[in-house]
Amino acid sequence: DTAVSQTPKYLVTQMGNDKSIKCEQNLGHDTMYWYKQDSKKFLKIMFSYNNKELIINETVPNRFSPKSPDKAHLNLHINSLELGDSAVYFCASSLRDRDYGYTFGSGTRLTVV
Amino acid sequence: SQQGEEDPQALSIQEGENATMNCSYKTSINNLQWYRQNSGRGLVHLILIRSNEREKHSGRLRVTLDTSKKSSSLLITASRAADTASYFCATDRGSTLGRLYFGRGTQLTVWP
Repeated sequence: DTAVSQTPKYLVTQMGNDKSIKCEQNLGHDTMYWYKQDSKKFLKIMFSYNNKELIINETVPNRFSPKSPDKAHLNLHINSLELGDSAVYFCASSLRDRDYGYTFGSGTRLTVV
Repeated sequence: SQQGEEDPQALSIQEGENATMNCSYKTSINNLQWYRQNSGRGLVHLILIRSNEREKHSGRLRVTLDTSKKSSSLLITASRAADTASYFCATDRGSTLGRLYFGRGTQLTVWP
């Protein structure tokens, strides 16, 4: 009955590969996000989708492409992985009402070697 | 760009003591939120305080907000070893849906 689940939990891959991270929420939230947490624990938003529509697209290399097949899913595809992409990626969801906290997934630790 | 800045970066206390963490931010906000992150886990939402509120309580947590000083504090009373985690403040400027800005967090260690 996990609220926001993302897979895989760990991902080790070589430079140049393409990989995907999946995220699903069963909370009935209408907005989903991808955040990146670097080695110093700094969290930065990458993308935000509201009802399958892209709302936020921060300055992220276009090698990163989010896809939202429905409002319960937001996947992240990364092409041509680079060493600097190594980080923990968190999916989160919330309701459109601003006065509401986010629910985060447990994260995907991506290591590019 | 980074918005919240937590202080201190690290805090180490004994069980039963109170822990106070501070957060400063730079621009006007719609609300400010505090999250906890246990090692290797996702963030857990603790409390949200709106810009027109000054204080909020939730169990052993007390949050204050001073918009004139652009600062907030999180107080955990009677801390427990299980409170050991990183604590982050995040600000919602209200300009774009979902643009939550996080600080770098305070690492709290509570010794039994």
